[in-house]
Amino acid sequence: ETGVTQTPRHLVMGMTNKKSLKCEQHLGHNAMYWYKQSAKKPLELMFVYNFKEQTENNSVPSRFSPECPNSSHLFLHLHTLQPEDSALYLCASSQTRDTNYGYTFGSGTRLTVV
Amino acid sequence: GQSLEQPSEVTAVEGAIVQINCTYQTSGFYGLSWYQQHDGGAPTFLSYNALDGLEETGRFSSFLSRSDSYGYLLLQELQMKDSASYFCAVRDPGAGNMLTFGGGTRLMVKP
Repeated sequence: ETGVTQTPRHLVMGMTNKKSLKCEQHLGHNAMYWYKQSAKKPLELMFVYNFKEQTENNSVPSRFSPECPNSSHLFLHLHTLQPEDSALYLCASSQTRDTNYGYTFGSGTRLTVV
Repeated sequence: GQSLEQPSEVTAVEGAIVQINCTYQTSGFYGLSWYQQHDGGAPTFLSYNALDGLEETGRFSSFLSRSDSYGYLLLQELQMKDSASYFCAVRDPGAGNMLTFGGGTRLMVKP
C-alpha cells in the first residue's frame, strides 16, 4: 500500500451506467489529482485539487465529473462513457500542488466500458 | 507544446547496468522526476533533479543536463524485480506547474 487507496480496483460498466471511483489518502497531503493511463500513451492529467479547490481541468469531457469533499477524499463520477474511455484511472496526492517532491499514486481503477 | 521522449522498451540481463534516456521539450522547467511502475501497481517516485549533475540513491542514479534538455535514469546491478515501466516527468511552470509525463520505458530484466 502506498498510502493512497483507490476503489474499486476493477470496474466494468455499460455506456449508459453511472458509477463513481473513489480515492482516499491519510498522508496529510493537500493536493490530489486524477490521471488517465492508456496503453502506450503518457499519463494524462485530468483534474487537480489543491486544498479542496479545483485548480485544473485539463479539457476533460463533461461525462467525467470530479468531487473533492475534503482534502482526504477524491471522487470521479462517470456517466455515459464511451469505449475509448477504458483505461487505468490513477489518483495521486502531494503535499501541495507546487511541491518539488514526488507524488504518491494509488494502484488505480482498471475501467472497462462495454 | 510539451513533449517528453523516452525509449518504449529496453531489455537487459541480471547484474548488468542499464540507462534509460529522457529528452524533453517544455515551455518551462522546474525539475525532472523519475517514477517506477510494476504491472498492476502504482507509479512510485524514484528521484528528482532540479540542477545539473548526477544524483545517486543506492543502485539507482539520475542525471540531468538542463542545457541539453536531457536526463537519464541509471540502474546498476540489475535484479529481476527491476522489471517494470519507468517514466520521466517534468514540472513545467508553463503548464500550471503540473507534472507532464513521458510515455514510459518498459524494462525487461532477463536471467
